[in-house]
Amino acid sequence: GENVEQHPSTLSVQEGDSAVIKCTYSDSASNYFPWYKQELGKGPQLIIDIRSNVGEKKDQRIAVTLNKTAKHFSLHITETQPEDSAVYFCAASPGNTPLVFGKGTRLSVIA
Amino acid sequence: NAGVTQTPKFQVLKTGQSMTLQCAQDMNHNSMYWYRQDPGMGLRLIYYSASEGTTDKGEVPNGYNVSRLNKREFSLRLESAAPSQTSVYFCASSAQGVGNQPQHFGDGTRLSIL
Repeated sequence: GENVEQHPSTLSVQEGDSAVIKCTYSDSASNYFPWYKQELGKGPQLIIDIRSNVGEKKDQRIAVTLNKTAKHFSLHITETQPEDSAVYFCAASPGNTPLVFGKGTRLSVIA
Repeated sequence: NAGVTQTPKFQVLKTGQSMTLQCAQDMNHNSMYWYRQDPGMGLRLIYYSASEGTTDKGEVPNGYNVSRLNKREFSLRLESAAPSQTSVYFCASSAQGVGNQPQHFGDGTRLSIL
């Protein structure tokens, strides 16, 4: 089955800097790659997703890139703000089985 | 529009007690899921229901049972709670298909077993 590795497990950046979180997946048939943000005491919330027919997707300060050949995808957050501090999860699925999640990255944005 | 609602939000049980965690969604979604979240382990799938009337095991089903009561509701039961089941439990739903649609999560049930 699918296996998703996520790095780093913790990340600290200065406010205004960029943050990058990387995930690798094992199943070459995977075609859906969402990213979730989890704030303290809340459930994960979808922030952006990408499908295998697209290499990059942007939404304001957030972007996701996908490299199908290398089987990895990354989340990029530019101009980080204190409210970006949270735990971020990547996930992957070939579409006919449930999402498999990475173990999460705790992002701290230092003002 | 409440989305995914989980009850209770907090619960403390003694070893051996039983309990049912409730989940309801108001988005007319077909698929529903139960996860547990432990420190450093991410989200691990316990059971899921691809559509009303079906349920399937996930990665960590042992010690749990589920019931898809109707399209809106999906419950998780611990028949004989063990300390290893101390965790935060999340319910989620998606429109259709189990792996190619965004999942919407509730805010979790924090369960402690003494």
